[in-house]
Amino acid sequence: QSVLTQPPSVSAAPGQKVTISCSGSSSNIGNNYVSWYQQLPGTAPKLLIYENNKRPSGIPDRFSGSKSGTSATLGITGLQTGDEADYYCVTWDRSLSAAVVFGGGTKLTVL
Amino acid sequence: QVQLVESGGGSVRPGGSLRLSCAASGFTFSDYYMSWIRQAPGKGLEWVSHITSSGYTTDYADSVQGRFTISRDNAKNSLYLQMNSLRAEDTAVYYCARDQRGFASFDIWGQGTIVTVSS
Repeated sequence: QSVLTQPPSVSAAPGQKVTISCSGSSSNIGNNYVSWYQQLPGTAPKLLIYENNKRPSGIPDRFSGSKSGTSATLGITGLQTGDEADYYCVTWDRSLSAAVVFGGGTKLTVL
Repeated sequence: QVQLVESGGGSVRPGGSLRLSCAASGFTFSDYYMSWIRQAPGKGLEWVSHITSSGYTTDYADSVQGRFTISRDNAKNSLYLQMNSLRAEDTAVYYCARDQRGFASFDIWGQGTIVTVSS
């Protein structure tokens, strides 16, 4: 059971918008930056969003991130079939033992 | 170009040991925190361990605390993970990753190395 809760799956049609939620607590999301990763089948994860809402160079502005309280959200607009992948949120958890925690992952299906 | 290349994976029996390596190139390795992250077959990503740029501070997931040791050699641009007392549940693809700003924002990943623990 992950410390960060993500929906197991989401789906939407090409061209549409989708959001993926990541719910945590004050010991993790509430007081730390959140980053988001995309993992295409058979490949290493790729950084999409860091420090809650910043995009690395080369990441299109179709991808956005936000944080409010103890939850974070990844938004993807103008969905493409190539966006079909697993998406993970990540942050630090400063409870009992400091650690980096991943969400359980969300499978995005572009119908 | 900027890259990380893992090596050292393989098959080992329960209770055995392995040492993973991660060779960095294309950037100033000693400037960055580094982590090991793993993914069991068909499962999600799990952070394993982290080391600061100097190597003085390390952290571990509870699942590997006391069994795994992370280290680095900045002169050799290399990151290591010594894995002892391996268990079946340690079977996974192991990735090394660069933490670009020390806030769990992993901007560079290796291709992964497979570790299989089985009798």
